[in-house]
Amino acid sequence: DAGVIQSPRHEVTEMGQEVTLRCKPISGHDYLFWYRQTMMRGLELLIYFNNNVPIDDSGMPEDRFSAKMPNASFSTLKIQPSEPRDSAVYFCASSLERVGTGGADTQYFGPGTRLTVL
Amino acid sequence: SQQGEEDPQALSIQEGENATMNCSYKTSINNLQWYRQNSGRGLVHLILIRSNEREKHSGRLRVTLDTSKKSSSLLITASRAADTASYFCATRERGGADGLTFGKGTHLIIQP
Repeated sequence: DAGVIQSPRHEVTEMGQEVTLRCKPISGHDYLFWYRQTMMRGLELLIYFNNNVPIDDSGMPEDRFSAKMPNASFSTLKIQPSEPRDSAVYFCASSLERVGTGGADTQYFGPGTRLTVL
Repeated sequence: SQQGEEDPQALSIQEGENATMNCSYKTSINNLQWYRQNSGRGLVHLILIRSNEREKHSGRLRVTLDTSKKSSSLLITASRAADTASYFCATRERGGADGLTFGKGTHLIIQP
């Protein structure tokens, strides 16, 4: 299995530009998560999907952030317009639903996208 | 918000020694997971322990969970230079959302 795939691996953009981050989860996984990592705040959950449906987006910092999952094998995180404080590493993770009790189990992380907004 | 808090923030030991990292959390949990992150890389899942488990082993890793104290420990035995990394505990809250809440991590340095 190729694992979780994220693209691009690095993105440098100027303030005000639109940024789109992409994620391909592990095939067959029911859950997809987007996290952000910064030195100041550590790892934070932004949003997650179950069977392509957004379940909890309470971690999305503002309306400038949006995420979609049009099908089971693809998700995007969009920032429009981007600001310097959005600079961070953005991780996508996926997991299976735990048999029996349900809910997400072990999460498998992609390599991340390092975003720099100038 | 940060749920897990790792202790210590940084740890430097000699190769071959054992490394112990601790994690405390605040709410009732469904499970607790430990992840490793090498510099500039993604997170690698190490081990998951459920709330009804007290101890779990995986190779050179030993994890304990004390739900009464809301704490967990990760022991790496016979450390190797390749174990140098940051280690994070992450909790999934009981009855809560499926996302994980991460601590700030322990940076482990293994001196050759």
